[in-house]
Parts: sequence; C-alpha cells; structure tokens
Amino acid sequence: NAGVTQTPKFQVLKTGQSMTLQCAQDMNHNSMYWYRQDPGMGLRLIYYSASEGTTDKGEVPNGYNVSRLNKREFSLRLESAAPSQTSVYFCASSGTRGTGELFFGEGSRLTVL
Amino acid sequence: EDQVTQSPEALRLQEGESSSLNCSYTVSGLRGLFWYRQDPGKGPEFLFTLYSAGEEKEKERLKATLTKKESFLHITAPKPEDSATYLCAVQAGGYGGATNKLIFGTGTLLAVQP
Repeated sequence: NAGVTQTPKFQVLKTGQSMTLQCAQDMNHNSMYWYRQDPGMGLRLIYYSASEGTTDKGEVPNGYNVSRLNKREFSLRLESAAPSQTSVYFCASSGTRGTGELFFGEGSRLTVL
Repeated sequence: EDQVTQSPEALRLQEGESSSLNCSYTVSGLRGLFWYRQDPGKGPEFLFTLYSAGEEKEKERLKATLTKKESFLHITAPKPEDSATYLCAVQAGGYGGATNKLIFGTGTLLAVQP
C-alpha cells in the first residue's frame, strides 16, 4: 500500500534553477496539498487542490506553481529557486471534504545554494 | 490571528514515566483539533481528531483531551518507540468548507529513554 509518493527525496539546486516536485496518491482521494516544513515555523500550506481541476493558494504561495494533472497527481514547481525555498516539502491528500485527517508523503528535502 | 502554540518544545522521559504535552490555540471558530506523530525523516502520521470541549480520544498509551483553549496529549507509561515529534493542528471556522486548511504548531520532540 504505497499511499502518497513523492519524488525526488533529495535535491540540490543553484539559485535561479527550476524544478518540479512530483506527488502521486493511490487512495482515490479528492483533495491534495503541498506543505513546507521549516525549523521553528511548523508546517505551512503552499497550495492545495480541493478536487481534480481546481487549485488554490495557501499561506505561502509566492515563488511556486502547481498542477493537478489528474485525480492521482499533484505537482509543485519552482520556476526560479531562491535560498529562502530551502526546506522540506510534504505532499498530502485527504479523502473527505473538510476533514483534517491528512495522509502525508515522506517528504522532499530541497536545498537551494 | 489564528495561532497554535505547543509546549514544551522538547521533553525527555524515562520509560514508564507518564507526562503530558500541551497545545494551546486561539482561532476564530474551532472546527477541529488534530494530533499527528512525526518520526525523523518521515511525514506526519494522523493520530486523533477532537471536535468539541470535553471530548477525549485514546489509542494505546496516548490519550488526547480538549478544552475551549487547549488540548493535552497524555502519554501513559511511555516506551522508547513512542519517541517522535508530536504535532498539533487546528482547523478554523473562518476557512471555506471546500478547504482543509490546517494551522500547525511547531511540535514537541519527545524522547523516551529505556
């Protein structure tokens, strides 16, 4: 039972480079999320998709774009990476609208030099 | 402003030594309070949902309780495998029903020594 799968697990970028974090879930969930986790800051919502075909900004969307490719996949793109985007990124999904029970992936650790 | 504060930041216990973790919150209309466990290098794992003051939930050595201003995660006779970071999150009524926006605390790092 894979749950939520994120790739890559680790990535090092130079300032200005672009990259896409991939996320897929096999639980037939409608809602998907991207969070970032920084020391002393807690998890913060970047973007979310309440259902296939919709995306909305979260708390910290600047510098990111997302694509809900289909019901299973939700990608996060950094168009021009900055050192402030060094973080651990988590993708999550939930099956019931409005629930706070999220299923998280194992995270992607990104370092921007 | 909606806010979640967890204390202590870190807690070291001996195996079998019971204790409690605190999560205090200020939100505009609480829709739910959630506890998660996070192991090093892993994503958070859901533990409990609490919806109203007075509610309690239990799972093995863990019991979560909720008042109008805070939640406690009680750990009874902990074992080394209970070592993890415990995260608290709240869902506020100010957000639209279409979202699951959660406000997370920064967590309590629990270490249980044998």
